[in-house]
Amino acid sequence: AQKITQTQPGMFVQEKEAVTLDCTYDTSDPSYGLFWYKQPSSGEMIFLIYQGSYDQQNATEGRYSLNFQKARKSANLVISASQLGDSAMYFCAMREGMGYQKVTFGTGTKLQVIP
Amino acid sequence: DVKVTQSSRYLVKRTGEKVFLECVQDMDHENMFWYRQDPGLGLRLIYFSYDVKMKEKGDIPEGYSVSREKKERFSLILESASTNQTSMYLCASRETTGKAKNIQYFGAGTRLSVL
Repeated sequence: AQKITQTQPGMFVQEKEAVTLDCTYDTSDPSYGLFWYKQPSSGEMIFLIYQGSYDQQNATEGRYSLNFQKARKSANLVISASQLGDSAMYFCAMREGMGYQKVTFGTGTKLQVIP
Repeated sequence: DVKVTQSSRYLVKRTGEKVFLECVQDMDHENMFWYRQDPGLGLRLIYFSYDVKMKEKGDIPEGYSVSREKKERFSLILESASTNQTSMYLCASRETTGKAKNIQYFGAGTRLSVL
């Protein structure tokens, strides 16, 4: 079974609108964390936001927020007030367990912001 | 700011050549990683190192080896390059303590073509 599933290969959003990128995960470990990374066409992966499984509140970082629904095993990324510079690939990732904590990445969603 | 530097952005090599991909980080991170990224497959872990001279296989280690002689440098080696190793290679390092614990920081990537 896929550990991280991103069902939207590509999405469009109008500039200044909000957009939600979906991510579901699968783990039996009680200790885990979820990440979102942005990859512009330049190639570098940029860390956006992190949510730990024991965190009580949803994580927020500026225009990014993580809609964490533990019972549904979903960790959707919400980008508010989209900008042209938000056009990029977005990857959801999960680390599991203690110690080394291997990280598994999803296949990504390509977001295009339309002027 | 964390800086992870990969020595080459683009490389073109011939089948059978020995290829070295170099990665240097400037934040004294203990953990370092090599991933390859292919369209539709996301990022897959090749090898990681949790300390100097320590290494562990990731999900797809076949055809690769690594070297970590100094804390800041993690090298990926293709002993005999093959065309199916044409890919984007991403290096990352990870903080293991403090507020930024768990976050992986990535280099800009090396796009390798094997002809």
